[in-house]
Amino acid sequence: QKEVEQNSGPLSVPEGAIASLNCTYSDRGSQSFFWYRQYSGKSPELIMFIYSNGDKEDGRFTAQLNKASQYVSLLIRDSQPSDSATYLCAVNPYNTNAGKSTFGDGTTLTVKP
Amino acid sequence: EPEVTQTPSHQVTQMGQEVILRCVPISNHLYFYWYRQILGQKVEFLVSFYNNEISEKSEIFDDQFSVERPDGSNFTLKIRSTKLEDSAMYFCASTRSGNGYTFGSGTRLTVV
Repeated sequence: QKEVEQNSGPLSVPEGAIASLNCTYSDRGSQSFFWYRQYSGKSPELIMFIYSNGDKEDGRFTAQLNKASQYVSLLIRDSQPSDSATYLCAVNPYNTNAGKSTFGDGTTLTVKP
Repeated sequence: EPEVTQTPSHQVTQMGQEVILRCVPISNHLYFYWYRQILGQKVEFLVSFYNNEISEKSEIFDDQFSVERPDGSNFTLKIRSTKLEDSAMYFCASTRSGNGYTFGSGTRLTVV
């Protein structure tokens, strides 16, 4: 079983729609959860982090965490063509500052105009 | 917006040679990392560094690899005796508080 598993892509949505990206993790003790966006040939860029169960909203992005189900998701509302990228879910096993992140394989999102 | 700076952006080296990848983390960040991403694959953790010492390293980070912070700003990854399978994008990252990383733009290492 992969440590961090993301829904297989590619995912294609029309402009203005909601894109839903999902991630599950195997380590029940994981404490910190992150979503990064990676454009082709570029480095990952942090979008959001979440530590507590529930929803966390930042602009058009909402992260959702359910520790009991070991599940974290990212919703992108009003999707734009510029959101087309690979989205990486990352999980830290500790709630400490120096913790490493384990990344999923990523889900490639295409937003069609 | 503060940046993590990596040099060079692309390095081509012969198999068996040593390479040094350089990074300048954000100045008030305390935790530093090296990750790598083989083309088409996931981002993989190599090593974390805090308070001038390695805090954690992965199975990938064997004796072939070493890290240093030779001064107050630079953070380097040395790969000795490079192999073809070391070809990858190497990312430096840093964080101040653990609320996610700031990644550098990466060094593409090609071993021929």
